[in-house]
Amino acid sequence: AQSVTQLDSQVPVFEEAPVELRCNYSSSVSVYLFWYVQYPNQGLQLLLKYLSGSTLVKGINGFEAEFNKSQTSFHLRKPSVHISDTAEYFCAVSDLNFNKFYFGSGTKLNVKP
Amino acid sequence: DVKVTQSSRYLVKRTGEKVFLECVQDMDHENMFWYRQDPGLGLRLIYFSYDVKMKEKGDIPEGYSVSREKKERFSLILESASTNQTSMYLCASGGGGNEKLFFGSGTQLSVL
Repeated sequence: AQSVTQLDSQVPVFEEAPVELRCNYSSSVSVYLFWYVQYPNQGLQLLLKYLSGSTLVKGINGFEAEFNKSQTSFHLRKPSVHISDTAEYFCAVSDLNFNKFYFGSGTKLNVKP
Repeated sequence: DVKVTQSSRYLVKRTGEKVFLECVQDMDHENMFWYRQDPGLGLRLIYFSYDVKMKEKGDIPEGYSVSREKKERFSLILESASTNQTSMYLCASGGGGNEKLFFGSGTQLSVL
């Protein structure tokens, strides 16, 4: 079975500051890793994914994440946030057939002017 | 543009009622999913379907059933709604070779 832990339920940050949203996972099998974003009153959208290859993956809106197998982590980062990045961010894992997706509890990013 | 459409954005029902939540996708995806989203708990998988008339239980199937008679439509059924089923319900399609999930905008269900 897989599980995903997002250590911070809320992260307040000022505009143009850097941010890191933490994600750790546990799994007895190989998994793929994802970050999704949910803007207010909308469904989730894919931000980025790690399937294989380089452990540093870049996504939309200037976000990037680094897969660390030894620490079973997949932290999301952005060097300079904007007000428009205010949203809830979900880390997720899937099996290698993309049949089952498990999501973390979410981190609300609140960007202040 | 790809679309996953959930029939209602807000729904208010009474305890004991039978509730149907409908989801339609226009991408010809094999897999469809129903999640429940609660504050602090994230998304929890209720049921998913990998083909017409095929279904598999997720992590919290109790009190729910599903129906998939056509590829594009996946229905979630609350046989007898209870107050602890008040939640946001999200439908998604994709998976099964398509690594991206596409989500509907959700149905906020209140059971009184």
